[in-house]
Order: sequence, then C-alpha cells, then structure tokens
Amino acid sequence: KAGVTQTPRYLIKTRGQQVTLSCSPISGHRSVSWYQQTPGQGLQFLFEYFSETQRNKGNFPGRFSGRQFSNSRSEMNVSTLELGDSALYLCASSPGSGIETQYFGPGTRLLVL
Amino acid sequence: LAKTTQPISMDSYEGQEVNITCSHNNIATNDYITWYQQFPSQGPRFIIQGYKTKVTNEVASLFIPADRKSSTLSLPRVSLSDTAVYYCLVGDMGNNDMRFGAGTRLTVKP
Repeated sequence: KAGVTQTPRYLIKTRGQQVTLSCSPISGHRSVSWYQQTPGQGLQFLFEYFSETQRNKGNFPGRFSGRQFSNSRSEMNVSTLELGDSALYLCASSPGSGIETQYFGPGTRLLVL
Repeated sequence: LAKTTQPISMDSYEGQEVNITCSHNNIATNDYITWYQQFPSQGPRFIIQGYKTKVTNEVASLFIPADRKSSTLSLPRVSLSDTAVYYCLVGDMGNNDMRFGAGTRLTVKP
C-alpha cells in the first residue's frame, strides 16, 4: 500500500496570506489527523477528522481549520498567516475503526516571511 | 490523556542495546503505549505498540510492568542510522487525540 502523501512538500508565504495543505491517507484509512511541529513547541495536535467530521480538536486558534472529503482526503487551511506559523505540518492516517496506530506522512514545510 | 516523562537525550555506541524508559504514572485502563521514531524533517515512524507485559517486533521490544506506570523501549544492537528522536505516547488508541511529549534524542556514536 502507498503511504500517507502530503502536498506540497515545501511552501513559502508572506504574513497575512492564507494557505491550504493537502493530505491523502493510506487507502482504506478513514481517520486523518493534523499536527504542527516547531523547534520550540514540539509536536502539537491540531485536529482529527473521521468520516468528513471533525472528531477531536487541539488548542489552536480559529485561523486553523480543516476538512475531509468523502474519499478521506483532507485539507488544512491557515488564514491570516503569522510568522509563528512557520512549521512542519504533519498529517497522519489510521483506520478509524478501533485500536489505532497512526501513520504519518512526510510533512509540509511552511515558511512564513 | 496520560502525561509522559522521558529522558531528554541519550548517547550510545554502535552495536549496543539501548533502553529508553518512559514514565506515565496516571495511565488509564483504556490507554495503550506507543513509540515513534522521527528523523529530521520527516514524519514520525511507528515503532511498536503495547498494552501490557512484553511486545516484540522485527525492530524493537517494549517492556511494560504489571502496574503499567512505565514502559521501556529496547533497541537491540543500534547502528548510526538509529540516531533520531524517540517519542513515547500514552492514550486511548480509539481516540486519535494524540499528545506527543518532548521525546528522547538518541545519538549513536561509532
């Protein structure tokens, strides 16, 4: 099976812009979670989607949002970008049907100038 | 979600066995213990998962005592390529709200 894929792999934006990141889960996986990783804060949970519904949410401002499509692919959007949003954004998928192991994608490196 | 405590860093030499211990005193009945490995600029990679006693796979072993308040990841005969950050996670694996700790930075020296 192909692994979790994320696009784009690298992105440069300026403050105030918005950005959309995409994640394709492993085939058959229905749960997609998003994480932000920075040197200062480490890996932080953003939110999880299951069957097109947000099931869990971390402590991030409303500028961070996401959605999931019927084919389980997910997108994450960040509006009004701030310098502190520069990070590695990771997506993880799991079956969503019980005891879960999450499998991570390679991440999208976002740089906000 | 149980809070986890791991050493910040560890050093080892090629060929040695490395044991990384994670403390999770308030682990709940439904919680599983999972370990991930992460290389720079890559996503975490699943290593092993367990609930109690001992679990072994082709890359590692996980030892969990009866009280489940700690767990130990054992990496046999490490190589330079095992240099990475290792994360211990404890949580209800039916709930994908995973909280990573700071992780343990393992450096394997020649």
